[in-house]
Amino acid sequence: DVKVTQSSRYLVKRTGEKVFLECVQDMDHENMFWYRQDPGLGLRLIYFSYDVKMKEKGDIPEGYSVSREKKERFSLILESASTNQTSMYLCASSPWFGAYNEQFFGPGTRLTVL
Amino acid sequence: AQSVSQHNHHVILSEAASLELGCNYSYGGTVNLFWYVQYPGQHLQLLLKYFSGDPLVKGIKGFEAEFIKSKFSFNLRKPSVQWSDTAEYFCAVSFYFGTGTSLTVIP
Repeated sequence: DVKVTQSSRYLVKRTGEKVFLECVQDMDHENMFWYRQDPGLGLRLIYFSYDVKMKEKGDIPEGYSVSREKKERFSLILESASTNQTSMYLCASSPWFGAYNEQFFGPGTRLTVL
Repeated sequence: AQSVSQHNHHVILSEAASLELGCNYSYGGTVNLFWYVQYPGQHLQLLLKYFSGDPLVKGIKGFEAEFIKSKFSFNLRKPSVQWSDTAEYFCAVSFYFGTGTSLTVIP
């Protein structure tokens, strides 16, 4: 079974803090994704990566950056957290590059920025 | 970016009722279509997918979906829902998602 793990289930941070969200997958998948999930807005793609050190912007990259130094790990960074970044963050992975592969999701990190 | 529309935001059904959830997308070329489900407190997981071939695809737990190219639609159906189908359902085109439909099934 594919396993995607996220470093925290719940996180509370203060405005202006630098926040790191970590995601690890154990199935040697090439693609990894970060989404935020908000009620009524569904899942919105922040960034994705199709290879180590490669990244592509999604629909809402502003205020976020990512890092992929190893194939199994994809980090989402909030350089200076703001209250409008309070959300559920979901990480996903999928094999090979291409749009036809299903994604496997982690449990999510619920981030609250005070 | 691809645009994915789910017009039903919240659906409430009684057990044994039939279900149809709408999904429309904007891109007219080759598309790869998915329905995912998120049960309360659980991860998002795949219900079914369509890449090519028979436009009627079957997924887990008795769900099916029909791809209608001319209507840019990929609607999800189930003939008879159960209380355990209470969940949030997301339509996706490649890795772009709709806003989701929350389904509540009343016993």
